[in-house]
Formats: sequence, C-alpha cells, structure tokens
Amino acid sequence: DGGITQSPKYLFRKEGQNVTLSCEQNLNHDAMYWYRQDPGQGLRLIYYSQIVNDFQKGDIAEGYSVSREKKESFPLTVTSAQKNPTAFYLCASSIVSGKAFFGQGTRLTVV
Amino acid sequence: GQQVMQIPQYQHVQEGEDFTTYCNSSTTLSNIQWYKQRPGGHPVFLIQLVKSGEVKKQKRLTFQFGEAKKNSSLHITATQTTDVGTYFCSSARQLTFGSGTQLTVLP
Repeated sequence: DGGITQSPKYLFRKEGQNVTLSCEQNLNHDAMYWYRQDPGQGLRLIYYSQIVNDFQKGDIAEGYSVSREKKESFPLTVTSAQKNPTAFYLCASSIVSGKAFFGQGTRLTVV
Repeated sequence: GQQVMQIPQYQHVQEGEDFTTYCNSSTTLSNIQWYKQRPGGHPVFLIQLVKSGEVKKQKRLTFQFGEAKKNSSLHITATQTTDVGTYFCSSARQLTFGSGTQLTVLP
C-alpha cells in the first residue's frame, strides 16, 4: 500500500529455525513498526523505530529481533526462542504520529 | 502503558442497518486514528481526529472524538456489504491499536 513492501507473502519455517521478514518503504518515513496479528485478533506491537539505528520494544518483543541500519528498511527476525510464531505479520511506516501505511503482510507458518 | 479498548468485538447487522463501534482509552489521547481491514487484507487508514469534540464525516461514516479526548466512535449509516471488515482505532503516538470490531453485514 503506497510504497511499503513486505516479502515474502507466505513463509514456512521449521521448528528451531530463525527466519527474517523483509520490510522496505520508499515513502521517506522516519517511523516504522512491526505488528503480529493472530486469527480474529487485533494488532499487537512487536517493535518500532522512529529513527535510524534506534528501536524500541513493543508489547510482545520476546523471541523477536530487529535492525534499522537504513531509513528504508526494518527487517524482523523471528528467532527460535519465539514459542508460537505462526501468525500474520504486518509492517507499517509513518511520519511520527502521522497516518500509517501498511504492507501486504507475511503469513508465517511453522511446520 | 497506554491501552485502547474497543467494543463490541463482533457485530452482525442486516444490510441497511446502522453500526457503531466505540473506542476508549485509559489516558488522554493527543489524537486518534481509525483503520479498516478487509478480510485477508491489511489495515487501511480512514481518518485522524485531533480536536476535542471533533466530528468528521466520510459519506456514510461519521467519526467522533470525545470532549475529554479519551474516547471515540465510528458510526456507519445504512450498512452495505462493502462495509464488511474489522475496524480498528489507534492512538497515533505509538500506533497502539484497539482490539478491533469485526463487522459482518448480512445481505
């Protein structure tokens, strides 16, 4: 949606493996966010970043890690420490406190 | 931290009936945003409210921000099947989302 791209759309992971979800935006937004959504549930904040090289934990950061080396990119790694990683992951970007633009999401399944 | 609660969690209406979802915050909000997520899709921004008591309309949708800036509502007049989806409110500061209201419109 409007210049924010998530890949892949579907991802399968074996138990015990780390996987990295990609999120890229060309909107020149300072803020980027990762959310997890479980079926029929709301959006829970995993991590957010308001500036390059800085990020903060959200409500459910355990078992996840992020980096923000470039303004355009905010990859999320789901580590083996995340006990129940199967979910729909959404990345968003915005100007700080502005409206958010979401990517199409990545559906992660542990097999 | 800041919490945003939404009610109801689910709402089923007949096409043509009205629908309202409510959003309540434990703290005063600087502003509030509303999003719509279609089934299988991603959230899409609808509107942002900033001023105390503000009311904004988008066709059949009416958005209100409470006088104390702790609550907000979204009202849809004469629902259509295209209104199906989940409606979320969000505190814009950290994009803390409410739990959402899932609307089903029966034809």
